[in-house]
Amino acid sequence: AQSVTQPDIHITVSEGASLELRCNYSYGATPYLFWYVQSPGQGLQLLLKYFSGDTLVQGIKGFEAEFKRSQSSFNLRKPSVHWSDAAEYFCAVGEVTGFQKLVFGTGTRLLVSP
Amino acid sequence: DAGVTQSPTHLIKTRGQQVTLRCSPKSGHDTVSWYQQALGQGPQFIFQYYEEEERQRGNFPDRFSGHQFPNYSSELNVNALLLGDSALYLCASTLNGLAGSHNEQFFGPGTRLTVL
Repeated sequence: AQSVTQPDIHITVSEGASLELRCNYSYGATPYLFWYVQSPGQGLQLLLKYFSGDTLVQGIKGFEAEFKRSQSSFNLRKPSVHWSDAAEYFCAVGEVTGFQKLVFGTGTRLLVSP
Repeated sequence: DAGVTQSPTHLIKTRGQQVTLRCSPKSGHDTVSWYQQALGQGPQFIFQYYEEEERQRGNFPDRFSGHQFPNYSSELNVNALLLGDSALYLCASTLNGLAGSHNEQFFGPGTRLTVL
């Protein structure tokens, strides 16, 4: 069965500093990979997704992620964090053969310090 | 264009009771999935509805059931509530694709269920 590991429960970054959130997945083949963001009181918003092709994908709000097959990783990055980026971030795996079921990691809470 | 809407926003029930949560998908979407997000956890897939039928189910007991209506809206029913059912219940909608495809899923704000 597929699974997703986000090893960092909390991360604190200074405003303007760079950010990298880690995600490792377990899946029998190359899966569909996603990053979602959740702000308090709001649903999940899709930041970016990887299906195939270029392993560096660009998303909204200046985020990018790199798929590394050899490391089973899909880490999220942003060169300069803004205070409004403070939120919970979830990495997810989508089944390639299924009907769009998503398996989520436990999330990483990003805190942004002034 | 309204996105995914859910009602109610919050709900408090006692153990043993039954609850119904409602979801209206984004305009043009025909597929609805439900997820349970316990405190401090990521969302867990409960089931998915398409053409008024459950077509995929996660590892949840039969106490969790659902329904999809002809207008694509959906309900999630939970019977015999347990304390452990306290969670944020998220609804996601998408446009059905072929098996193996992945159209973007849009999530609603969720219903916060507290079981006392």
